Amino acid sequence: DGGITQSPKYLFRKEGQNVTLSCEQNLNHDAMYWYRQDPGQGLRLIYYSQIVNDFQKGDIAEGYSVSREKKESFPLTVTSAQKNPTAFYLCASSIDRGRSEQFFGPGTRLTVL
Amino acid sequence: AQKITQTQPGMFVQEKEAVTLDCTYDTSDQSYGLFWYKQPSSGEMIFLIYQGSYDEQNATEGRYSLNFQKARKSANLVISASQLGDSAMYFCAMREDETSYDKVIFGPGTSLSVIP
Repeated sequence: DGGITQSPKYLFRKEGQNVTLSCEQNLNHDAMYWYRQDPGQGLRLIYYSQIVNDFQKGDIAEGYSVSREKKESFPLTVTSAQKNPTAFYLCASSIDRGRSEQFFGPGTRLTVL
Repeated sequence: AQKITQTQPGMFVQEKEAVTLDCTYDTSDQSYGLFWYKQPSSGEMIFLIYQGSYDEQNATEGRYSLNFQKARKSANLVISASQLGDSAMYFCAMREDETSYDKVIFGPGTSLSVIP
């Protein structure tokens, strides 16, 4: 089955530790995205990538880093510089420009203790 | 400035009734796309419907239809014959410039509860 996988579903980390969230897609999509969602809020864009080895900052990139070494994979690292990292993180991909919708993964709920 | 406004934080609807979820947007682009997504309590975002700014007809997908009023910059989602499984958060989103796929902006969402 084609889709987007995110792992793990729940993640706990101690304050001050870096943590990497996985996102893999087998939809052959060019574009991939990372969003952050806080309780009762909409989605805010962290980073996006249109092609391999290229990515752009979204609205709230500070304290986060990404890589796009393969078309299928777009991991997000939450660094210790992120002041309030506890949130729900969603990864998405889309096939091409224009009318195409984004396909989302199941999300990772990160809790920093 | 808020690009996408959803003024209804929470809505209730009786099962089998229709409900309209409001969305207004702000853009100076002539070419843009509007999306609606559903987010159940599980957290995954589900695409519902799309409307392009140059589409002459309102989009429809099964029980979902989009009431697109370009001059008023509104793109309201209409759900007909509501079902209990429609209880979820609903997000309106916009991509400015249909030829660009780099950025999609989401609204704050509306929580819909369907009452038996």
